[in-house]
Amino acid sequence: EDQVTQSPEALRLQEGESSSLNCSYTVSGLRGLFWYRQDPGKGPEFLFTLYSAGEEKEKERLKATLTKKESFLHITAPKPEDSATYLCAVQAEGYQKVTFGIGTKLQVIP
Amino acid sequence: GAVVSQHPSRVICKSGTSVKIECRSLDFQATTMFWYRQFPKQSLMLMATSNEGSKATYEQGVEKDKFLINHASLTLSTLTVTSAHPEDSSFYICSAWGSGGGNQPQHFGDGTRLSIL
Repeated sequence: EDQVTQSPEALRLQEGESSSLNCSYTVSGLRGLFWYRQDPGKGPEFLFTLYSAGEEKEKERLKATLTKKESFLHITAPKPEDSATYLCAVQAEGYQKVTFGIGTKLQVIP
Repeated sequence: GAVVSQHPSRVICKSGTSVKIECRSLDFQATTMFWYRQFPKQSLMLMATSNEGSKATYEQGVEKDKFLINHASLTLSTLTVTSAHPEDSSFYICSAWGSGGGNQPQHFGDGTRLSIL
C-alpha cells in the first residue's frame, strides 16, 4: 500500500527565514509526486509534479526536489502570504488513485 | 486553465436529509473526477473515482448506497449524501484531471463543508 509521511506537522518561521518541508514516500513504481498548497476552508491548489529522482522544479520562492524515497519543498525567504498547509501526494504507475500525506502547516510571521 | 467549481460551498441541514454536491470542470472536459473527504488534521481520503458514462468505483469502506455518485456529462459529477447523519459531517472535495488525463495533476474544487445537525 502506498504511504506518504510529511514532516514536520507544523512549522513556524519568521519572514525571510528559509526552511524545508519533507515528504517521505513508499510506492510500487512512482508515476508522479505532487505538491499542493491548501488554504483554510479551500481545496488544494496545485504547485508541482515531479516524475523521477533528481528532478527539480521552482516557482517563485518554492523549489521542489525528488529522490527515490523522499521529496523536499524548499521555501526561500518566505513571506506571510506563504502561510498555508502544504500537501504531498503520490501516484503509482498504472493506478488512478493518488495518496495524500497529512500535510505540513506553515505559518510565516511578519 | 483547469478550473474546477464545486457547489454549494457550505450546507447545514437536519439529520435524515439528502444533500447533493455538484462538481463542474469549467474550461476542460473531465472524463474522470474524484471525490474526497477531509477531516480536521487528517489527509484527504479518496472516497470514489467517477468516470463519465459509467458506474463510480468506490474505495473500500465507502458505502455506495450512502454516497451516490453520478457523472452524466464530461463537465459535471454529483455526489449525493443520502439520509445524512451527524457522522457524515465533513469537508467534501472533488477534483478532476486536466486535459491529457492521467499524466496530469488533479485540480481541485474549493470543497463543500457539510454540517448535519
